[in-house]
Amino acid sequence: KQEVTQIPAALSVPEGENLVLNCSFTDSAIYNLQWFRQDPGKGLTSLLLIQSSQREQTSGRLNASLDKSSGRSTLYIAASQPGDSATYLCAVSGAGSYQLTFGKGTKLSVIP
Amino acid sequence: DGGITQSPKYLFRKEGQNVTLSCEQNLNHDAMYWYRQDPGQGLRLIYYSQIVNDFQKGDIAEGYSVSREKKESFPLTVTSAQKNPTAFYLCASSPDSEKLFFGSGTQLSVL
Repeated sequence: KQEVTQIPAALSVPEGENLVLNCSFTDSAIYNLQWFRQDPGKGLTSLLLIQSSQREQTSGRLNASLDKSSGRSTLYIAASQPGDSATYLCAVSGAGSYQLTFGKGTKLSVIP
Repeated sequence: DGGITQSPKYLFRKEGQNVTLSCEQNLNHDAMYWYRQDPGQGLRLIYYSQIVNDFQKGDIAEGYSVSREKKESFPLTVTSAQKNPTAFYLCASSPDSEKLFFGSGTQLSVL
C-alpha cells in the first residue's frame, strides 16, 4: 500500500528566505505527483502536477522536482512571502488508478 | 463564475441521524470525488464517480452513501452507521482524473 510522508510537519521561516518542502513515497510505480496548498478551513488549490516521466515543473516562484526511483519530491519556494503561509500537501496517484494518496502536509509560516 | 460549491459550510448531526452534504460543479467535469480530512491528517477518499449513474468506493466508504444522477451534482450522505463522523469533508472534480479542483469544504460536527 502506498504511503506518503512529508517532513517537516511544520516550518517557520523569515520573509525573503528560500525554502524546500519534502515529500517521500514508498511505491515508485506512480502515475503522477501533485503539490497542493490549503489555507485554514478551506479547500485545496493545485499548485503543480508532475507526470511520472517528468523531472520537474515550475510555476512562478515555485519549483517541484520528482525523483521517482528514490521515491522523493521537493517543493522549492523562492523569496518566501507572508502570503505563502499555508499547509502544503503532496499526493501521488498509482498507475491505472484514479485514487490519490495524500501526505499529512507541512504547515508553513512565513514571518514578516 | 465557474467552480465547485459545497454546502452547508458547517453542519451538525444528532446521534442516529442521517445528513447530506451537497456538492455542485459547473465546470463540466466528468469525475467527482469525496474526501474526508481529520485534523493533522492527509485526505482519505470516501467515494468517487467517473461518470453519471456510476460511482466507486474509496478507502473509507463504510457509513457513507452517494448518488450521481446528474453530471453537476454528487451529494454525500453520512449515515447513522458512521460512528465517528466529525471531520472536514472536501468535494473535488476533475476533467481528466488527474488535476483536481476542490470545493471549500463542509465541517461536520456531532451534537
